[in-house]
Amino acid sequence: GAGVSQSPSNKVTEKGKDVELRCDPISGHTALYWYRQSLGQGLEFLIYFQGNSAPDKSGLPSDRFSAERTGGSVSTLTIQRTQQEDSAVYLCASSPAGSAYEQYFGPGTRLTVT
Amino acid sequence: GESVGLHLPTLSVQEGDNSIINCAYSNSASDYFIWYKQESGKGPQFIIDIRSNMDKRQGQRVTVLLNKTVKHLSLQIAATQPGDSAVYFCAENIKGGKLIFGQGTELSVKP
Repeated sequence: GAGVSQSPSNKVTEKGKDVELRCDPISGHTALYWYRQSLGQGLEFLIYFQGNSAPDKSGLPSDRFSAERTGGSVSTLTIQRTQQEDSAVYLCASSPAGSAYEQYFGPGTRLTVT
Repeated sequence: GESVGLHLPTLSVQEGDNSIINCAYSNSASDYFIWYKQESGKGPQFIIDIRSNMDKRQGQRVTVLLNKTVKHLSLQIAATQPGDSAVYFCAENIKGGKLIFGQGTELSVKP
């Protein structure tokens, strides 16, 4: 089967504009995660969804960031009024039931805010 | 606060030698520790994990060691190959999949 896919692969936007990043997890995986990776840095946890439970939003850096997961599958990360410091690679991961730490990552979306 | 860090930011080894990548963590409540490999332009790839109640786990050419006394994690790669060149991240599972990642070590394998 296919792995985690993300779109777009690259996104250049002007400061102040809103952006939406999409993630398609592996079919059947129950959990979905969003991370942010700045150049040459480790991954920063943003948010995760587990089944029908309320998402853990503890990693979202500001209220400009939000995420949805529709139908327990596809997820969209939205950044409103983008700032230059939002420039990073946004990575999505999914994991199967009972193995929340065994996360399979997508290739990421490289966001550049000019 | 929570943190996972690496002792060595870069590591250069000769092809065929063994590699050891180290990691320090600070959260005693973590129940799993995981190693990921990230090649340029790709997302991290799961390598191996270890439960907090274990001190060693072996996979194919890789071994992870966990020393809870000093909060230290290491990844050993046997007979390192050029395809092993990548950035390696350790991560700890804080709660139900919320992973805290270290900064990464770049492994360079010389032919």
